[in-house]
Amino acid sequence: QVQLQESGPRLVKPSQTLSLTCTVSGGSLTSGTYYWSWIRQPAGKGLEWIGRVYPTGGTNYSPSLKSRLAISVDTSRNQFSLRLSSVTAADTAIYYCARNDPYCGGDCSSFDLWGRGTLVTVSS
Amino acid sequence: ETVLTQSPATLSLSPGERATLSCRAGQSVGTYLAWYQQKPGQAPRLLIYDASDRATGIPARFSGSGSGTHFTLTISSLEPEDFAIYYCQQQNTFGQGTKLEIK
Repeated sequence: QVQLQESGPRLVKPSQTLSLTCTVSGGSLTSGTYYWSWIRQPAGKGLEWIGRVYPTGGTNYSPSLKSRLAISVDTSRNQFSLRLSSVTAADTAIYYCARNDPYCGGDCSSFDLWGRGTLVTVSS
Repeated sequence: ETVLTQSPATLSLSPGERATLSCRAGQSVGTYLAWYQQKPGQAPRLLIYDASDRATGIPARFSGSGSGTHFTLTISSLEPEDFAIYYCQQQNTFGQGTKLEIK
């Protein structure tokens, strides 16, 4: 079955760039109508959608993070990646990659598959 | 962007009881709402999508209802493993969560 796995540095210094990769295994990132998201969760808090990427490379970003954010896809490696620049302590969180399923074929989707998440700490 | 408001923030019940969780949308979203369960140290798990469709492998005691701006997740008879945090979601927005705790 399809699985997602986040990878990348767990500790990032303030003002530097946070970089994470999500590897899709057990299936192709380009199959079906799925697209792919990053979501984060600070300790003890709720879920925040960061952004998404389509297999074609198109993206949508959270307005609050857009100026610092880049999400890309590498279909040859079956991976998609997140880069968040100029990080502060407020960016410390568990980062999840997830699959979007547009179940109605239009302006709707659920996150039907999730990685286990990786805790990224921003600290000097 | 649609605001989602969940209530109550915390719900204290005993195993075997019925749980009813609410999610209200700031504007009509049709039936385009999903529910997730999150246990400590785990990623969220999709329970319900399109307001009332159970995701693969989800037990029948979980059901969703509603349309427009008011949605409900019902757990008909609580099992010990159901005590967790529940989130509703519409497109890129999540509710703030309801913690279901053992009474």
